[in-house]
Amino acid sequence: QKEVEQDPGPLSVPEGAIVSLNCTYSNSAFQYFMWYRQYSRKGPELLMYTYSSGNKEDGRFTAQVDKSSKYISLFIRDSQPSDSATYLCAMTTYTGGFKTIFGAGTRLFVKA
Amino acid sequence: DTGVSQDPRHKITKRGQNVTFRCDPISEHNRLYWYRQTLGQGPEFLTYFQNEAQLEKSRLLSDRFSAERPKGSFSTLEIQRTEQGDSAMYLCASSLGRGGGIGGYTFGSGTRLTVV
Repeated sequence: QKEVEQDPGPLSVPEGAIVSLNCTYSNSAFQYFMWYRQYSRKGPELLMYTYSSGNKEDGRFTAQVDKSSKYISLFIRDSQPSDSATYLCAMTTYTGGFKTIFGAGTRLFVKA
Repeated sequence: DTGVSQDPRHKITKRGQNVTFRCDPISEHNRLYWYRQTLGQGPEFLTYFQNEAQLEKSRLLSDRFSAERPKGSFSTLEIQRTEQGDSAMYLCASSLGRGGGIGGYTFGSGTRLTVV
């Protein structure tokens, strides 16, 4: 079993829809949680990071962390065709040594 | 500062040859990371530096791989005797302080390696 599980999709939605992307994890030592967006043939770009359970909002993006369920989500409101990309979750722990694990990424297509 | 720069963007090499990639991080960032990404997968951690010290190496980093960061500035990743399984995107990232806790990582655009 992978430490971080993420549905690879693809996920196809119409423009303006609310998108929900999710990851589950098994290692309770993870302390920091991040979401990255990656366009084709580009490096990942940080969208959101958080270190506590609850919600964090930034514009059209909301990151949600539920440590008790080991579950994180990214919500995109009013989705745009320019949001079409692969979304990667990532989590980091320093317990027992540094470790950052990325999910496999979810491919999102937003249709105009 | 225009972000993290990686050179070259693409590299095609024959199996058995050595290759070297360069990464120039954001100048005020003290931590530098190397990741490898294959198609349909997330980045996998290879190694990281704090200033010039290499603090952690993944078990993925076989003896054929070596990374340096002289003087705590740019970094190089060398792969000796390349194999077809080395074909991947090699990503460099930098951060100020702990990458997971303070703003995450800033990634470069990567070097795409193809071993033929």
